[in-house]
Amino acid sequence: DAGVIQSPRHEVTEMGQEVTLRCKPISGHDYLFWYRQTMMRGLELLIYFNNNVPIDDSGMPEDRFSAKMPNASFSTLKIQPSEPRDSAVYFCASTRGGGDTQYFGPGTRLTVL
Amino acid sequence: GQQVMQIPQYQHVQEGEDFTTYCNSSTTLSNIQWYKQRPGGHPVFLIQLVKSGEVKKQKRLTFQFGEAKKNSSLHITATQTTDVGTYFCAGRGGYQKVTFGIGTKLQVIP
Repeated sequence: DAGVIQSPRHEVTEMGQEVTLRCKPISGHDYLFWYRQTMMRGLELLIYFNNNVPIDDSGMPEDRFSAKMPNASFSTLKIQPSEPRDSAVYFCASTRGGGDTQYFGPGTRLTVL
Repeated sequence: GQQVMQIPQYQHVQEGEDFTTYCNSSTTLSNIQWYKQRPGGHPVFLIQLVKSGEVKKQKRLTFQFGEAKKNSSLHITATQTTDVGTYFCAGRGGYQKVTFGIGTKLQVIP
């Protein structure tokens, strides 16, 4: 059984560029979460979806961040334009039926120069 | 809003010593989960506690949920180098979203 899949695993970009992170949740999971992890702030919930619908985006830092879930097996997190302070590891996680046990993907390490 | 505080933030122990991390919530929790993240890895679910005063064990790991359901602890007996990583608690109060603690980074000195 495949776990949560994220791509790319590493991304290095220059300030001002658009960045798109991708996530495929575990099949059958109806909740999808996007997190950002930094040394200073730990693991922060950015947004989560239920049945492809965004439920809570209060953690999205600002309008430069946007997330979509066009279908049950795919989600994107986009940063446009990117800034050096966006450098972090971004995790996607999924769960089923509202259960609180979350299954995390391997993460995308983003570096904005 | 709900806050989940975790202490200590860092802990260095000699191999064979015990280790404990504590988690405290500003609100009563419905449940609490514990995760482990190895260096360079992603958080991996360890266990969930639901009942007041619940205690669960996984080999050398003992998890407790406080009577008031506002605090929890993870205790590791006789640490090994394989225990190295960051341990997170995550809790939800009522209909609020799950909140993760800052994590405790454990370093085990051989």
